[in-house]
Amino acid sequence: QLQLQESGPGLVKPSETLSLTCTVSGDSISSSSYYWGWIRQPPGKGLEWIGSIYYSGSADYKPSLKSRVTISVDTSRNQFSLELTSVTAADTAVYYCASLGSTWYSARYYYMDVWGKGTTVTVSS
Amino acid sequence: DIQMTQSPSSLSASVGDRVTISCRASQSISSYLNWYRLKPGKAPNLLIYAASSLQSGVPSRFTGSGSGTDFTLTISSLQPEDFATYYCQQSYSTPYTFGQGTKLEIK
Repeated sequence: QLQLQESGPGLVKPSETLSLTCTVSGDSISSSSYYWGWIRQPPGKGLEWIGSIYYSGSADYKPSLKSRVTISVDTSRNQFSLELTSVTAADTAVYYCASLGSTWYSARYYYMDVWGKGTTVTVSS
Repeated sequence: DIQMTQSPSSLSASVGDRVTISCRASQSISSYLNWYRLKPGKAPNLLIYAASSLQSGVPSRFTGSGSGTDFTLTISSLQPEDFATYYCQQSYSTPYTFGQGTKLEIK
């Protein structure tokens, strides 16, 4: 059974870099069945997709964050990571990692089928 | 970006009630629509994918319908664990976007 667990600092100073890791268990991150993604939820707000990556390293990012975001994969550790540079208070959120599975119904339908429990990151001096 | 709008934003109901949550896309997304349930401190759950397909392990009281721009999530008989916040999400194109959420509260 696929499981995901986020880890990383809970407090980051403004202008610094937020770094989080998602550890995958129950399957190989190199499985062709999945993309891997990051989603966040600021306090009192809704969910925001940050970006996704395939095990090959091909990544896709939300355009408004693209200049500050890097998602990478470490197949040897079965992990993928998020880096967000030049953070501000607006980046304070619960950060989730998720697997993006898919189904073929005459086209490929993607969905976030397994999520981590989330980790709270606060940006403050 | 494709905008997703849910209604209502909040809803009060009782155990055993039937409830319906709506989701509208700013452009046609065919059936590229997923529904999730979020509870504080827990991993979010995928309920419905491709507008109407029930995710494995999800109770049959959850039903999704719609295509194009208008979608609906129906819970046929509310259980205590269903009091949570629900989100729709389009997977038609990136950036993937979510609705603003519908908070389902106990009456």
